[in-house]
Amino acid sequence: EIGLTQSPGTLSLSPGERATLSCRASQGISTDYLAWYQQKPGQAPRLLIFGASSRATGIPDRFTGSGSGTDFALTINRLEPEDFAVYYCQHLATFGGGTKVEIK
Amino acid sequence: QVQLAESGGAVVQPGRSLRLSCAATGFSLTSYAIHWVRQTPGNGLEWVAVVSDDGNKRYYSNSVKGRFSISRDNSNNTLFLQMNSLKVEDTALYFCARGRVDLWHGFDYWGLGTLVTVSS
Repeated sequence: EIGLTQSPGTLSLSPGERATLSCRASQGISTDYLAWYQQKPGQAPRLLIFGASSRATGIPDRFTGSGSGTDFALTINRLEPEDFAVYYCQHLATFGGGTKVEIK
Repeated sequence: QVQLAESGGAVVQPGRSLRLSCAATGFSLTSYAIHWVRQTPGNGLEWVAVVSDDGNKRYYSNSVKGRFSISRDNSNNTLFLQMNSLKVEDTALYFCARGRVDLWHGFDYWGLGTLVTVSS
């Protein structure tokens, strides 16, 4: 089973800054099945990115997914107050451990 | 609009059974795969099970295989997760989620979850 390691565990940033979140797979994976989610407290996860780089419906273009092989990234340009949340990557039936983006 | 609503969560003793429901509105369960994903308090997400759009494929995580099973009532557009031989480690918030395209191309709609607590 392929594992997903997300880093850092917590990212402390200010509104307006750029966030770069990493998701590393234990072996090479297809970009077709790599997704990113955002989850806020008390809410269900929200699909942000599918196919490693395609934004889901209604997702602002400040969210960008990239990567291939074993290394993937989610970049959030110009953090808005509503972007402070936990982010998960997913490949098939495996989720990463999450990265919390918190206000500095 | 598309909505998923879970129900059936409860406090149960280890070894007992529970059935969760996932009611879908705004789309047909026969057109999309539906997954169950759980989340322990303060922790991350764990995929549990999936049924394909045609109902012919059902897959389970190793941690629940042989104990949990998915069924579907197409006439009521409702999905069920039958949970048998429950363990303390099954305690979690259970979400149902729709597969965006096929089984694994992202889960585009999620319910709010239903809480299962397994405790003596």
